[in-house]
Amino acid sequence: AQTVTQSQPEMSVQEAETVTLSCTYDTSESDYYLFWYKQPPSRQMILVIRQEAYKQQNATENRFSVNFQKAAKSFSLKISDSQLGDAAMYFCAYRGDSNYQLIWGAGTKLIIKP
Amino acid sequence: GAVVSQHPSRVICKSGTSVKIECRSLDFQATTMFWYRQFPKQSLMLMATSNEGSKATYEQGVEKDKFLINHASLTLSTLTVTSAHPEDSSFYICSARDGQDTEAFFGQGTRLTVV
Repeated sequence: AQTVTQSQPEMSVQEAETVTLSCTYDTSESDYYLFWYKQPPSRQMILVIRQEAYKQQNATENRFSVNFQKAAKSFSLKISDSQLGDAAMYFCAYRGDSNYQLIWGAGTKLIIKP
Repeated sequence: GAVVSQHPSRVICKSGTSVKIECRSLDFQATTMFWYRQFPKQSLMLMATSNEGSKATYEQGVEKDKFLINHASLTLSTLTVTSAHPEDSSFYICSARDGQDTEAFFGQGTRLTVV
């Protein structure tokens, strides 16, 4: 069975600095998708970034980028120039190519210090 | 991105009554919808997966007679919590995907309080 592990329950970063959130996963599949979701206090789940496993290039969305290491089964999220609005819970999620269910990590609470 | 509307956002009901939560895909046809439960400061727990026109598939440990899921159309799925008890109080989230896109889109969630 697939699993997703987020080993950092909480992270804090100074505003305008860079922070990296860790995520590792376990799977025997070769094709899959990885996601980072943000859940602010409103609790609306917002897709931050996604990565297809077959793509070697790391996904980037403005200030958000990932470091996808397929062999190591690692999928970290880097947030550059942190802003107060980035404060939220961040969840890493896995989806197999043939199964539409998302497997979720436990989440990391990100605190932005002004 | 596609929009999923979940209603109501908050509901308070008396113990023993039933409450229905709606999840609508506004601008796409949702072939598959997912219902999650989220406890405070925890991750999402998948309750069931529903495909339009067929019975929902429930995860182990989820009482199908208590959490009734109906996905009668390509744009609407409902979760009915029957004979609600205080321990059913939680945050419920739906998500939906069409047959094409990789990602699922989430509703705003429903905070259920059973008193």
